[in-house]
Amino acid sequence: GAGVSQSPRYKVAKRGQDVALRCDPISGHVSLFWYQQALGQGPEFLTYFQNEAQLDKSGLPSDRFFAERPEGSVSTLKIQRTQQEDSAVYLCASSPGLAGVNEQFFGPGTRLTVL
Amino acid sequence: GQNIDQPTEMTATEGAIVQINCTYQTSGFNGLFWYQQHAGEAPTFLSYNVLDGLEEKGRFSSFLSRSKGYSYLLLKELQMKDSASYLCAVRDPSDDYKLSFGAGTTVTVRA
Repeated sequence: GAGVSQSPRYKVAKRGQDVALRCDPISGHVSLFWYQQALGQGPEFLTYFQNEAQLDKSGLPSDRFFAERPEGSVSTLKIQRTQQEDSAVYLCASSPGLAGVNEQFFGPGTRLTVL
Repeated sequence: GQNIDQPTEMTATEGAIVQINCTYQTSGFNGLFWYQQHAGEAPTFLSYNVLDGLEEKGRFSSFLSRSKGYSYLLLKELQMKDSASYLCAVRDPSDDYKLSFGAGTTVTVRA
C-alpha cells in the first residue's frame, strides 16, 4: 500500500545497545513526526521535520535520542545506549503539507523492548 | 501544557451506541482530533473539530464545546470491528504541528 511504513516492526535490544528505527513516509509528504507510545498510553510527541529540517526536537527524552531526515523523505530515529525505560512503541507519522493544517497519517510503529 | 482526560475503558453491545468523552485543559485552543487505534496497529484519523457543534460522518459523530473544554465521540450501530482504543488529541495553540494525546479509551464490543 501507499501508507507510512516502519521497520523493523519489532526490536529487542540488550541494555546499552544502540538501535536505529526507520520510517518511510507517504511519498511527497512534507511533514514527518516521531512519537513514543508507552503501554496503555497515548502517543507522546518526540520530534518534527519539515522536509529535511528538524524544526522541533523538544520531545526527545535525552541526548541519547537522535533523529534525522537527510533527504526530506525517509527518516531514522536512533537511540544510543538503550535503557529499559526506552521500551515502548515508536510511531512515525507524516502529513502532506504544513502539519498545522492537515491530519497526520501514522505508521504501524516499531515495538522496542530493552532487556 | 495540555491536560487531556478520557475514560480508560468502556463496554457496549453490538448494535448499541457508545459515547466517549474527552475533557481538556489548555492555555488556548487550536483544534481537536479523534483517532482510532486497533491493538498493534497505526492510529487512523476519525474526525477533526475546531468549531463548536456536531460533525457527523457515517456511524461516527464528534462534538465540541470550546467553552467547556469538552468533546465527545459518538459511535452508533456498534460493530465488533469497532473494538479498539479511541484517542482524543488537541493541537498545541502555539506550535500547531504538535498534538497532545489523551491516554485513550478502550472500547470493547460484545455480541
